Amino acid sequence: QVQLQESGPGLVNPSQTLSLTCTVSGGSISSGSYHWSWIRQPAGKGLEWIGHIYTSGGTNYNPSLKSRVTISVDTSKNQFSLKLSSVTAADTAVYYCARDLVSSGGGFDYWGQGTLVTVSS
Amino acid sequence: DIQMTQSPSTLSASVGDRVTITCRASQSISSWLAWYQQKPGKAPKFLIYKASILESGVPARFSGSGSGTEFTLTISSLQPDDFATYYCQQYKSYLYTFGQGTKLEIK
Repeated sequence: QVQLQESGPGLVNPSQTLSLTCTVSGGSISSGSYHWSWIRQPAGKGLEWIGHIYTSGGTNYNPSLKSRVTISVDTSKNQFSLKLSSVTAADTAVYYCARDLVSSGGGFDYWGQGTLVTVSS
Repeated sequence: DIQMTQSPSTLSASVGDRVTITCRASQSISSWLAWYQQKPGKAPKFLIYKASILESGVPARFSGSGSGTEFTLTISSLQPDDFATYYCQQYKSYLYTFGQGTKLEIK
């Protein structure tokens, strides 16, 4: 059973960089035709896709965040990571990592439990 | 961007009811659509992909249909566990977008 777990600071100062890591267990991040995504959800609002990374290292980002986002992968640790720079209060949200079944029908089949990141001084 | 619009935003229903949620895309997405169920404080749960294929383990009372720009999620007989918020998501383009959600409430 694949499991994903987000980790990282729950509080980030405005203008700083938000950094989160997703650890994948129960399977290799390198196996299969999957992409690995970050998705966020402000309190009481809907879901916003941030971007994803292929195991080859290629990425696609939401254009609305592209200038501030970097997603990377560390296959040796079975982890992928998110960095979002120059954060503001608008970036306060629950951040989820998820497995993207891009070549197996599509959709996000496994999700982390989510981690709340608050941007505040 | 492909915009996804769900209706209604809120739906009140009773246990045993048949309910349908609609999701419309701003342009054709063929069948590249997924549905999710989310309960408060929890991650979304994957229900359906390619518009109509039920994910393993999802009860058969859930079904999806549609192609192009109009899609539906139907729950044939509501159970207490089904009261939640439902989201559609398109993955035709590599700017995945979600609908705004439909909250299914107990009448």
